[in-house]
Amino acid sequence: AQSVTQLDSHVSVSEGTPVLLRCNYSSSYSPSLFWYVQHPNKGLQLLLKYTSAATLVKGINGFEAEFKKSETSFHLTKPSAHMSDAAEYFCVVSGRGSTLGRLYFGRGTQLTVWP
Amino acid sequence: NAGVTQTPKFQVLKTGQSMTLQCAQDMNHNSMYWYRQDPGMGLRLIYYSASEGTTDKGEVPNGYNVSRLNKREFSLRLESAAPSQTSVYFCASSEGGPARGDTQYFGPGTRLTVL
Repeated sequence: AQSVTQLDSHVSVSEGTPVLLRCNYSSSYSPSLFWYVQHPNKGLQLLLKYTSAATLVKGINGFEAEFKKSETSFHLTKPSAHMSDAAEYFCVVSGRGSTLGRLYFGRGTQLTVWP
Repeated sequence: NAGVTQTPKFQVLKTGQSMTLQCAQDMNHNSMYWYRQDPGMGLRLIYYSASEGTTDKGEVPNGYNVSRLNKREFSLRLESAAPSQTSVYFCASSEGGPARGDTQYFGPGTRLTVL
């Protein structure tokens, strides 16, 4: 079975400081993992995707995530937060095998960036 | 190239009324999905269509029906709306079949309120 746990429902940082959004996953198969971002009243935009090619994945807007199989984690980081990064972030694992077609979403982490 | 489009953007219904949410994609994707988003719940899959002519239930299908009209269009119907169906509905599409774990691209959403 697949599942995703986002360890923080809210994260607040000051502009210019690092961002860390934590995600742990559970998967019976070699997973595909995603981070999506949702700005207020908008749809979801793909930030980055892991598909087993490289453990460190670079995404848009300076975000990156590292796949750590031993820790079953896929944390999202950014060296320096910008005000425009304030949004909700979802960690997602793709279902395989008997759960074909399913994306399993975490409950989201709301990122607030203070000036 | 508009990506995934959804209509309407907003809708208010009375309990017991019916309506259809429309979704279309112009990326020639094979698979399409309907999700609902509720506060603190992430996104939950209602129905999906792995390919034209097929549909399958997701995590929360009760109270909904779907039609894959053609490769481009995937509609979601509420036959008798209930207040519990107040939510934001997102349509998504992906290129390959679900087992590939392909990236899903999301529409802007429909905000539905059932009074």
